[in-house]
Amino acid sequence: QIVLTQSPSASASLGASVKLTCTLGRGHSTFAIAWYQQHPEKGPRFLMKVDSDGSHDKGDGIPDRLSGSSSGAERYLTISSLQSEDEADYYCQTWNTGIRVFGGGTKLTVL
Amino acid sequence: QVQLVQSGGGLVKPGESLRLSCTASGFTFSDHYMNWIRQAPGKGLEWVSYMSGSGSDIYYTDSVKGRFTVSRDNTKNSLSLQMNSLRAEDTAIYYCARDRDGDYGVAEYWGQGTLVTVSS
Repeated sequence: QIVLTQSPSASASLGASVKLTCTLGRGHSTFAIAWYQQHPEKGPRFLMKVDSDGSHDKGDGIPDRLSGSSSGAERYLTISSLQSEDEADYYCQTWNTGIRVFGGGTKLTVL
Repeated sequence: QVQLVQSGGGLVKPGESLRLSCTASGFTFSDHYMNWIRQAPGKGLEWVSYMSGSGSDIYYTDSVKGRFTVSRDNTKNSLSLQMNSLRAEDTAIYYCARDRDGDYGVAEYWGQGTLVTVSS
């Protein structure tokens, strides 16, 4: 059983930066994850894959102000120069043979 | 460009069946794992099922095993989800999604979603 833990909510001011965290459960700290963004009433959008070494690989059209990193069992999504359109739900997700799992999601509010 | 167009969905009673479809274009369909992911009203995302390009590798989340069947027709670039014995807790928006090139497990492209409502 792979568990991904995300804080239910986060907030930051317009123009500031925010770092969202996704924590991998015991025994899975070396797994890569993917980040997705979902605006209200819209489908999810793939943002990036983040590996255990901190490298990240973004999807098409994802701006430079979004980046990924890692530390131990934690995977991060950092959004710089926050804009109103960054207000959304953010999900992390991981996988292994025979299983694919999402975290519970973080609702980001831009103040 | 990659497109995933979904059809099916609707309102059914508990115990009834429904079939969802997803028609792909803009890529070599048989080269990719395809997925069904759902989102219950006001809830998070849940991976329901996936199928490899050849159809040999299939996954179902525990709550749908024995009730849902995923299939694909690579000649028609289509993915289907047959949902039987539907329950109220299956009510959700269902998305089909394509795995990323070279990245097993990452859902890069998503369909528009289709609402399934199970209610008496």
